[in-house]
Amino acid sequence: DGGITQSPKYLFRKEGQNVTLSCEQNLNHDAMYWYRQDPGQGLRLIYYSQIVNDFQKGDIAEGYSVSREKKESFPLTVTSAQKNPTAFYLCASSSGLLRETQYFGPGTRLLVL
Amino acid sequence: AQSVTQPDIHITVSEGASLELRCNYSYGATPYLFWYVQSPGQGLQLLLKYFSGDTLVQGIKGFEAEFKRSQSSFNLRKPSVHWSDAAEYFCAVGSSNTGKLIFGQGTTLQVKP
Repeated sequence: DGGITQSPKYLFRKEGQNVTLSCEQNLNHDAMYWYRQDPGQGLRLIYYSQIVNDFQKGDIAEGYSVSREKKESFPLTVTSAQKNPTAFYLCASSSGLLRETQYFGPGTRLLVL
Repeated sequence: AQSVTQPDIHITVSEGASLELRCNYSYGATPYLFWYVQSPGQGLQLLLKYFSGDTLVQGIKGFEAEFKRSQSSFNLRKPSVHWSDAAEYFCAVGSSNTGKLIFGQGTTLQVKP
């Protein structure tokens, strides 16, 4: 089945630690996205990538980093600079950037110890 | 600036009753619009989308939405709600320039037996 997988489902971060969230898609989509979801705030865009080896900051990129070395993969690192990382993180992909439907993965919940 | 407003944070309806979830958007050009549904702890599933053409759009699970340009609205409707429809619903508008999605804050639907 084609789809988007995210791992792990739950992730715990200690203070000062960097953690990486995985996102893989087998839909042959060019564009991929990372969103952060907080209660009552909807989804906010962290980073997006239109093609391999290229990515752009979204609305709340501070404290996060990404890479896009393969078409299928778009990992998100939550760095120690992100002071309030507790949230639900959603990865999405679409066949192109403009006027295309975004499809979402199951999400990763990040908690701080 | 683009924005999406979902005026109702929480709605409760009885099973079998009709449902309308409101969505208002602010966008200078012709928007493309989405409704997504999210079950607790899960990713987002696409219900329906409007890009152009017929302003009444049919989606999955018996949902429909009507695009009204004069009112800047894209309200979601279902004639008879089922208990399994209890979830959080998000309206989103896409930028024709950047492809970015702007999400509303979401409406939580509770269904009474």
